Amino acid sequence: NAGVTQTPKFQVLKTGQSMTLQCAQDMNHNSMYWYRQDPGMGLRLIYYSASEGTTDKGEVPNGYNVSRLNKREFSLRLESAAPSQTSVYFCASSANRDSEQYFGPGTRLTVT
Amino acid sequence: AQRVTQPEKLLSVFKGAPVELKCNYSYSGSPELFWYVQYSRQRLQLLLRHISRESIKGFTADLNKGETSFHLKKPFAQEEDSAMYYCALKPNQGGKLIFGQGTELSVKP
Repeated sequence: NAGVTQTPKFQVLKTGQSMTLQCAQDMNHNSMYWYRQDPGMGLRLIYYSASEGTTDKGEVPNGYNVSRLNKREFSLRLESAAPSQTSVYFCASSANRDSEQYFGPGTRLTVT
Repeated sequence: AQRVTQPEKLLSVFKGAPVELKCNYSYSGSPELFWYVQYSRQRLQLLLRHISRESIKGFTADLNKGETSFHLKKPFAQEEDSAMYYCALKPNQGGKLIFGQGTELSVKP
């Protein structure tokens, strides 16, 4: 099993550009999450999906949208990228909302 | 407010020395507490959780509800322990993890 996979691994955007970060899991998990990791701030939850067909805002949702495409896939979209969105983005999944979360390898995004 | 605080950004020790990574939390209920570790160029992974009361790679952590702390300890640090460590809290309603700022542990030879 690949576990949680994320694409791309690296991305450079110009201010105002849009892009979608992809996440997929092959563990048949119900819940999926998007975090951003910034130096000195730890990981902060952007959005999560407790189950297929549902999404909810986390701590820092502004400037992002998500889509739970199916049980396996959970994408994160930046409609108009800003330099403040320069970060490392992690996707995670868990069997259910009370279970251990498994993390993907991360996407390093730079917005210039 | 729900909050996790790791007061040390960087902790540097010599191999064989004891290590303690501090974690304090703010939460009014009975949370679940976790330690996650991220080795260089690897993904974040669960190290241990307080409810399991186990020792992983020689690390232990005890939940102290009176002091609202969940410090991570190891009696003899190894070079391979060098990594970024995150303390995290899950409120008792489940789901969302709240992470601390992280502590980078550097174990020197």
